[in-house]
Amino acid sequence: DTEVTQTPKHLVMGMTNKKSLKCEQHMGHRAMYWYKQKAKKPPELMFVYSYEKLSINESVPSRFSPECPNSSLLNLHLHALQPEDSALYLCASSPISGQGRNTEAFFGQGTRLTVV
Amino acid sequence: KQEVTQIPAALSVPEGENLVLNCSFTDSAIYNLQWFRQDPGKGLTSLLLIQSSQREQTSGRLNASLDKSSGRSTLYIAASQPGDSATYLCAVFNFGNEKLTFGTGTRLTIIP
Repeated sequence: DTEVTQTPKHLVMGMTNKKSLKCEQHMGHRAMYWYKQKAKKPPELMFVYSYEKLSINESVPSRFSPECPNSSLLNLHLHALQPEDSALYLCASSPISGQGRNTEAFFGQGTRLTVV
Repeated sequence: KQEVTQIPAALSVPEGENLVLNCSFTDSAIYNLQWFRQDPGKGLTSLLLIQSSQREQTSGRLNASLDKSSGRSTLYIAASQPGDSATYLCAVFNFGNEKLTFGTGTRLTIIP
């Protein structure tokens, strides 16, 4: 099973709402990622979790709050977003890099977020 | 800082032709390079992974090559089909951290 599952597929939220995006994988991967993708642009890295600990935060505004409750789950909590935060949010997972380890990354289908 | 560029940004070819997509990166200290396809509004589908010690990988009609010293990779698609129409992205996994840095993408259209 090489599937990364993201829910919901679509989300419309107001600027005062609080919502969460969820991501799940059962491949035993210990690195999980959140990316943001605007239309006609490549994905941009937001956060990386390694062994359930936040290892990279690409200077993302605090209105985005990641959480990794266990090795299979990754959440992105959203609060007080702006219309410019509307984008496709992609979750990915991969084995932890290391000598001789395959680090192929697998992506979910994304959550299309619209902030109104 | 790693920068990844793909040329051309868009490409249209008649069905049945062979084609090459290009990817270049500035920092050769990479662990591997991965090619993805993305259909409009969808997630990314992994096509091929090339480890830094490898020169090429093949999967069906796809062949990817890697020249790490010159910072270049190519994706060769043989006998193109309309179903190949998508955006193709290359991404490099930088050595020493867990960052996967994406290229700018090539939007491919196969004309029936």
